[in-house]
Amino acid sequence: EDQVTQSPEALRLQEGESSSLNCSYTVSGLRGLFWYRQDPGKGPEFLFTLYSAGEEKEKERLKATLTKKESFLHITAPKPEDSATYLCAVEPFYNTDKLIFGTGTRLQVFP
Amino acid sequence: NAGVTQTPKFQVLKTGQSMTLQCAQDMNHNSMYWYRQDPGMGLRLIYYSASEGTTDKGEVPNGYNVSRLNKREFSLRLESAAPSQTSVYFCASSERSDTYGYTFGSGTRLTVV
Repeated sequence: EDQVTQSPEALRLQEGESSSLNCSYTVSGLRGLFWYRQDPGKGPEFLFTLYSAGEEKEKERLKATLTKKESFLHITAPKPEDSATYLCAVEPFYNTDKLIFGTGTRLQVFP
Repeated sequence: NAGVTQTPKFQVLKTGQSMTLQCAQDMNHNSMYWYRQDPGMGLRLIYYSASEGTTDKGEVPNGYNVSRLNKREFSLRLESAAPSQTSVYFCASSERSDTYGYTFGSGTRLTVV
């Protein structure tokens, strides 16, 4: 069964304290892995797409990496405005155009 | 502003009442989706439409119906609401060749009492 597991469920960081969020996946052939950011009361907002092991994408303080079994979202020197829930999703080759989501990591960054 | 528009934003229903959630996108996307989001469960696919005139069931379709009215609009109907359908509902759209995955609406928070 295709599955996406994110850890930790929640993470509290002090401003400037770097850390990583994990997304482990089991899928019969991966077409793409997606990272989204979701603020309270809003819909998820696209961050990155990764297609193959070894690929990396960066945006401001965020960097996403991909291996054959998992993806990491590295947050360098986070700021309070980075506080949000971060969602990971996979798109299988056999069932393209439909994403399977993890339950997310709720990140709080305090001053 | 380009994107996905959902209405209403909030709704309270009594058990057994019916309602339709509306969704429209202006990005000329072929595919549209309805998800529900519950605490600890993540986003779960209710129905999707790969193109105008086609719809298919997702992971949790029971108690729901959908209509792809045209390329822009995809509605979700609850015929007889139940407390288990209390949730936040998101509509999304995508284009198969797009690297951006889905574009989501801002959601409808539905409470069934």
